[in-house]
Order: sequence, then structure tokens, then C-alpha cells
Amino acid sequence: AQKVTQAQTEISVVEKEDVTLDCVYETRDTTYYLFWYKQPPSGELVFLIRRNSFDEQNEISGRYSWNFQKSTSSFNFTITASQVVDSAVYFCALSEPFRDDKIIFGKGTRLHILP
Amino acid sequence: DAGITQSPRHKVTETGTPVTLRCHQTENHRYMYWYRQDPGHGLRLIHYSYGVKDTDKGEVSDGYSVSRSKTEDFLLTLESATSSQTSVYFCAISVLPQELAGDDNEQFFGPGTRLTVL
Repeated sequence: AQKVTQAQTEISVVEKEDVTLDCVYETRDTTYYLFWYKQPPSGELVFLIRRNSFDEQNEISGRYSWNFQKSTSSFNFTITASQVVDSAVYFCALSEPFRDDKIIFGKGTRLHILP
Repeated sequence: DAGITQSPRHKVTETGTPVTLRCHQTENHRYMYWYRQDPGHGLRLIHYSYGVKDTDKGEVSDGYSVSRSKTEDFLLTLESATSSQTSVYFCAISVLPQELAGDDNEQFFGPGTRLTVL
């Protein structure tokens, strides 16, 4: 069955520190997508990244980077040199496009960046 | 921008009353979803649709029904609202991928509807 686990409920770091948000997933399919979303205090869901199961290359976008490892079923998200504006809830999610394309979310990690 | 709107954005209602939330998209995407977001639970799928008049249940579908009579609209109805349905409701769309290596199918979410059932 599909499942996404974000074991870290809440994390607090001081500004400029690096922080990694963990995501572990379960799926029966060989074809799937993994996502990260950001939900700032304003409440909207902001798409950050989508990664398909055939592409294990790590991704870097500015201060954000993602480490996809199929061997451990993990898709971790690292923020380098964190900033106060990074404070938000971050969701990891999974979809199986050749099954029903439902997006299954983890419960989220609330990240506090302290000035 | 996938052009997803939700209405109303906020609603307060009383227990036992019917409530309908509307999700509207402007780009003819096939798949549409309704989620609810509650503290400690993240986002949970209520119902989804894979085309006009084609819908299916998600993990928390009890007490909810949906309809999709047009591609652009996906309605979520609470037949008789209960206090446990107080939540923030998000609509989402996705595009069925034509090519796995493509980078064009992002999952888009509407702005959310905050529903309070008294």
C-alpha cells in the first residue's frame, strides 16, 4: 500500500544552519512520483519538486536540495543556510500515476527557523 | 498557474445543514481531488475524479459526496455537516503523465476553503 512517513513532527534550527527533513515512502509500483510541498503560515500549498522513480539524480535548486535513494525508499529535503522565511510546514507526497494518480501525503514537518 | 479556484473561501455553518464546496479549474485537467487538512493528520484524500461523472472514494470519504458534471468543476457536498468536518479543504488537479521523463505535470492546489461547523 502507499504510505509516506515524515518522522519529524517539528524541527527548530537557528538561522543559517542547514536542516534536513526526512521522508520515507512505501509503494507497490515501480513507477511513481515523489513530491515536496511547502505550506507557509499563509496556508497555501506551494509545489517545490516532483521526482519520478526512474530518476535518482539528486536535485539542487538554490538553497534547496533533495536526496532520492530508492535503496532506502527515502526522499530527503535539505535546506542550506536556512532563513526565517523558510519557516513553514513541509509535506512529502507520493503518487502512482499508472494506478490512480492519487497523491498520498505524509503528515508534515513543521520547521521553525529562529532568528 | 493552473487556474484553480475554490469557493467559498470561508464558511461557517451549523450542524445538520448541507454544504457544497466548489472547485473550478480553467485548463481541462482530467484528474481532480478533494483533500481535508487537520492538525496532526496532514492532508487526507476525501474523493477524487478521473473524468466527467467518474469519481472514486479516498481514505476519508464517509459523510461526503462529490459530483463532476463538467470537466472544470468538482463539487464536494457535506449532506449533513457535523463538527468533525470542521477543517480546511483543498482541491487539487494533476495531469496524467504522457512521458515519465517530462517535467510538466506538477500537482496544483487551490487556495483552500476553511469550513467551520458549529
